[in-house]
Amino acid sequence: GQQLNQSPQSMFIQEGEDVSMNCTSSSIFNTWLWYKQDPGEGPVLLIALYKAGELTSNGRLTAQFGITRKDSFLNISASIPSDVGIYFCAGRTSFGNEKLTFGTGTRLTIIP
Amino acid sequence: NAGVMQNPRHLVRRRGQEARLRCSPMKGHSHVYWYRQLPEEGLKFMVYLQKENIIDESGMPKERFSAEFPKEGPSILRIQQVVRGDSAAYFCASSSDRDQPQHFGDGTRLSIL
Repeated sequence: GQQLNQSPQSMFIQEGEDVSMNCTSSSIFNTWLWYKQDPGEGPVLLIALYKAGELTSNGRLTAQFGITRKDSFLNISASIPSDVGIYFCAGRTSFGNEKLTFGTGTRLTIIP
Repeated sequence: NAGVMQNPRHLVRRRGQEARLRCSPMKGHSHVYWYRQLPEEGLKFMVYLQKENIIDESGMPKERFSAEFPKEGPSILRIQQVVRGDSAAYFCASSSDRDQPQHFGDGTRLSIL
């Protein structure tokens, strides 16, 4: 089945720094989604991308759908303590195939 | 969490018992998805249902697992004769249409003694 490789696996940054993480696939995806998961909770949708090359922002978060349709990145600017958590990319390979394939996650830790 | 309600939040079962996990989708959503998450891993798709119909069950084990989404009431994920390997967090998501983003509940954490 499809696999999504997400990197880095973990990040340790100081408050105020910018963060960048990405997701790559061996297959073409037609939808990319970025979720954040806090301990003991479900994933919360951050950004949805539907077109190759699309660049979308949500506050301090920016995500792009790669031109090749095999990758996506998420940037977080000026990190704050509540950004701590695990970030997952997820993709859908085709319309009519609604299941999401999830990446392995990037754990973000902010050093005081 | 985004209006998808799952219960119970935690469920403990002994080997051989049955586990029933319930999910009420967001208001107005008729598409429900179930995923399983092991510690330190991403979510893995199990099954996709739309009112009274199973659309895609390609991620669900063929034995012991079943899912339903009746006309009235929540979606149910049922695991019969549970084994230790069934211990995981089970998440439900819903969407308003099949190509719309999926919104997740806070999950049911299943522990098998």
